[in-house]
Amino acid sequence: EAQVTQNPRYLITVTGKKLTVTCSQNMNHEYMSWYRQDPGLGLRQIYYSMNVEVTDKGDVPEGYKVSRKEKRNFPLILESPSPNQTSLYFCASSLRSDGETQYFGPGTRLLVL
Amino acid sequence: GESVGLHLPTLSVQEGDNSIINCAYSNSASDYFIWYKQESGKGPQFIIDIRSNMDKRQGQRVTVLLNKTVKHLSLQIAATQPGDSAVYFCAEIPGGGSNYKLTFGKGTLLTVNP
Repeated sequence: EAQVTQNPRYLITVTGKKLTVTCSQNMNHEYMSWYRQDPGLGLRQIYYSMNVEVTDKGDVPEGYKVSRKEKRNFPLILESPSPNQTSLYFCASSLRSDGETQYFGPGTRLLVL
Repeated sequence: GESVGLHLPTLSVQEGDNSIINCAYSNSASDYFIWYKQESGKGPQFIIDIRSNMDKRQGQRVTVLLNKTVKHLSLQIAATQPGDSAVYFCAEIPGGGSNYKLTFGKGTLLTVNP
């Protein structure tokens, strides 16, 4: 089944404790992206990747890192999480980067205490 | 800055009625638009898309209309069903470049009353 998977789905952590949210897609998509969704603010792009080893900042990259060492995986790293990073995070992928529809993962709900 | 927005944050309809969800965009360079549906506890799901060289596109029970003159996008759902209850987002992609960036509106909550 073609899908985007994220792990964990739910996470409670404390300020400053490094964490990684994994994202994997099995569709051989070139383009992957991370979003955060907050009430009243909608979906905002954090980082995106056009292909392996090619990443760039989205609208709200501060406090986040990403890597794209393999085509299928695009982990989101919070080196020192803060409470303002409490949010619902979505990973998405698309076949190419030229306007193809993005397919979203199920989401990761993060609470930083 | 340029943004995608929505006219109404909530919409309540009776089962069987038609629903119309509106979206205004301000980036005249956008050439691709997508409607997503997000059910509670799930990620956004693609519904229908339209490119700027079209003004109408139909899917199964859904129609998207694009009015480039007034920079307005709408999603019409025919014979709305309880399963259509969700938040609907419009999204746009600016054209003319290789940097692919999807900008979302803030969403409209559609509630279908039985």
